[in-house]
Amino acid sequence: NAGVTQTPKFQVLKTGQSMTLQCAQDMNHEYMSWYRQDPGMGLRLIHYSVGAGITDQGEVPNGYNVSRSTTEDFPLRLLSAAPSQTSVYFCASSYSWQAFEGYTFGSGTRLTVV
Amino acid sequence: DAKTTQPTSMDCAEGRAANLPCNHSTISGNEYVYWYRQIHSQGPQYIIHGLKNNETNEMASLIITEDRKSSTLILPHATLRDTAVYYCIVRVEMEAGANSKLTFGKGITLSVRP
Repeated sequence: NAGVTQTPKFQVLKTGQSMTLQCAQDMNHEYMSWYRQDPGMGLRLIHYSVGAGITDQGEVPNGYNVSRSTTEDFPLRLLSAAPSQTSVYFCASSYSWQAFEGYTFGSGTRLTVV
Repeated sequence: DAKTTQPTSMDCAEGRAANLPCNHSTISGNEYVYWYRQIHSQGPQYIIHGLKNNETNEMASLIITEDRKSSTLILPHATLRDTAVYYCIVRVEMEAGANSKLTFGKGITLSVRP
């Protein structure tokens, strides 16, 4: 089925480890973004991309890197995991950053940093 | 962005209409009202959006008051699968800058009972 695929679904990391959360979409969407969702809080934008080769920071970018070498993929890298990064991470894509009704979200990656 | 206020939770009986209220008293003339929902452990899902007129699609209806200070999302025949957190979001549709984002608050938890 067409959509946004996130891997892994669950991950436990030790403090200081690094890892990459994968996000792929097969809808030829230009816009992709990463959010994190913490208990009792709404989703917060980490990084976003308006097209291949273009990325920019959202509201909570510290500790994360992204790249967009292809239209389909938008991986999120945790450089040195910290307990404060324990969260659920969602990747979203849309045919345009302006099309708020067109956002498709992945099913999330649940990350625990110990 | 205009702030939205939603009750914390509500419930309704299966098969009945679920009416979910949202207050956005500071909404601007060019801001749209969007509704998303998040079923447990899944990514948010777009439901409907509108500016002034009432809107209906295959999932729900959106009723916006004439002064646009509040709106109601209506699920005409709620099912158990509609149990979810529903987010009311107000955004300018063509906001300048790709750093625009969907700002999810805490939403309203709808519980559909058998």
